[in-house]
Amino acid sequence: GNSVTQMEGPVTLSEEAFLTINCTYTATGYPSLFWYVQYPGEGLQLLLKATKADDKGSNKGFEATYRKETTSFHLEKGSVQVSDSAVYFCALTANTGGFKTIFGAGTRLFVKA
Amino acid sequence: DVKVTQSSRYLVKRTGEKVFLECVQDMDHENMFWYRQDPGLGLRLIYFSYDVKMKEKGDIPEGYSVSREKKERFSLILESASTNQTSMYLCASSPPGQGSYEQYFGPGTRLTVT
Repeated sequence: GNSVTQMEGPVTLSEEAFLTINCTYTATGYPSLFWYVQYPGEGLQLLLKATKADDKGSNKGFEATYRKETTSFHLEKGSVQVSDSAVYFCALTANTGGFKTIFGAGTRLFVKA
Repeated sequence: DVKVTQSSRYLVKRTGEKVFLECVQDMDHENMFWYRQDPGLGLRLIYFSYDVKMKEKGDIPEGYSVSREKKERFSLILESASTNQTSMYLCASSPPGQGSYEQYFGPGTRLTVT
């Protein structure tokens, strides 16, 4: 079945450091891929998405590229801020057999000033 | 902006009680979802609905039921609450389509069953 695996956290970085959160997936067909972010005390909100191979999603300085050959969708940011501290979820929605979204376990990011 | 609201942010119930969690969205979305969120497990789908009066089981429907009498409202019901249903419950909605649309989430209800 479809699945998403993302790196375990927590990830602790200093402000202005480079961020990578790894995400790999298993899916039949051609899924859409998403990164969601959850700030403390809030629900999830979409950070970025990509709907086909080689697409790059980007938002608020974050980027992720849909790599079909490596079944990956790694999240990157060149210079993190304290305000980026949150939990990040990688997710996929397969377009075969219905369209349930499968979420990874989440990666908590702490950014220190 | 899409707004998804949930009836309570925090709820404490006793074992065996019937519990209702309400979710309302204001964007006329066809699709609505209920998830539970537990540390280390991510989000797990309980039930979803494609349209009024329609419902489909997700991955962990046992012990839950749902109701969708109006397009904007999707209710999750715990028929007889148990301690293993202590969790964060998240409601979401999305437009129709085959998966390229993101989901919009409410703020969550943290339920404690004692």
